[in-house]
Amino acid sequence: DAGVIQSPRHEVTEMGQEVTLRCKPISGHNSLFWYRQTMMRGLELLIYFNNNVPIDDSGMPEDRFSAKMPNASFSTLKIQPSEPRDSAVYFCASSLAIHRGVGTEAFFGQGTRLTVV
Amino acid sequence: AQSVTQLGSHVSVSEGALVLLRCNYSSSVPPYLFWYVQYPNQGLQLLLKYTTGATLVKGINGFEAEFKKSETSFHLTKPSAHMSDAAEYFCAVSLSNAGKSTFGDGTTLTVKP
Repeated sequence: DAGVIQSPRHEVTEMGQEVTLRCKPISGHNSLFWYRQTMMRGLELLIYFNNNVPIDDSGMPEDRFSAKMPNASFSTLKIQPSEPRDSAVYFCASSLAIHRGVGTEAFFGQGTRLTVV
Repeated sequence: AQSVTQLGSHVSVSEGALVLLRCNYSSSVPPYLFWYVQYPNQGLQLLLKYTTGATLVKGINGFEAEFKKSETSFHLTKPSAHMSDAAEYFCAVSLSNAGKSTFGDGTTLTVKP
C-alpha cells in the first residue's frame, strides 16, 4: 500500500482565500484523523471520523474550518476564509479500529505545509 | 481524560551513548501507549506501542520502552545512539482507538559525533 496520501504537499495562499487539503487513507482503514502541527501548540487533533462519520470535531478551531469524508477513500479539510494564523503543517492519519480491546496505531501522511500570507 | 508529559524538549547524546527519552502519562483507565518518530519534513512514524501483555516493548531501529504502571511512565531507550536517530520523538496515550491519541509536546534528539 502507498500509505496515507495527502495533497498538496505545500500550499501558499493569500489571506481570505479558500484552502482545501486532501487525504486518501490506507485502504481498509475505518478511522481518519486530521491533525495540525505548529511550533507553539504542538500536535493538535482537529477532527476524526469513524466509518466516514465525524465522531469528534471538538478540536476544530472555529467555523472557518470544515471537514468532510464523502467515502471511505477520501477526505477534505477546508479553511474558508484562511488567515495567517492558520499557517501550519496539517497531517492526515488513518487507522483500523477493530474494537475496544485492540489498540491499532495511526499511520500518518507526509503532511501539507500551509502558508497563509 | 488522559494527558502526556515528555520531560525535556531537547536531549543531546553522543554517538554510541545511551538514549533515554522520558514520558509520563495520566489516564483514568489502562492506557494504550505509543512512541512515534518524526524526521524533518516527514509525517510521524510508529516506533513501538504498548497495549496489553509484556511491559517491555521492542520497536524498530533498536528502540524499546517499558510500561511501568506504578510510575505511570513509558520511557523510550536505545543502548547505543546512531547519527540517524536524530529526530523528534512523540509519546502518545490513547484509551481506545489509537488514532485518537493525546500527544506529548515532543522531544528533539540530537546525536553528536
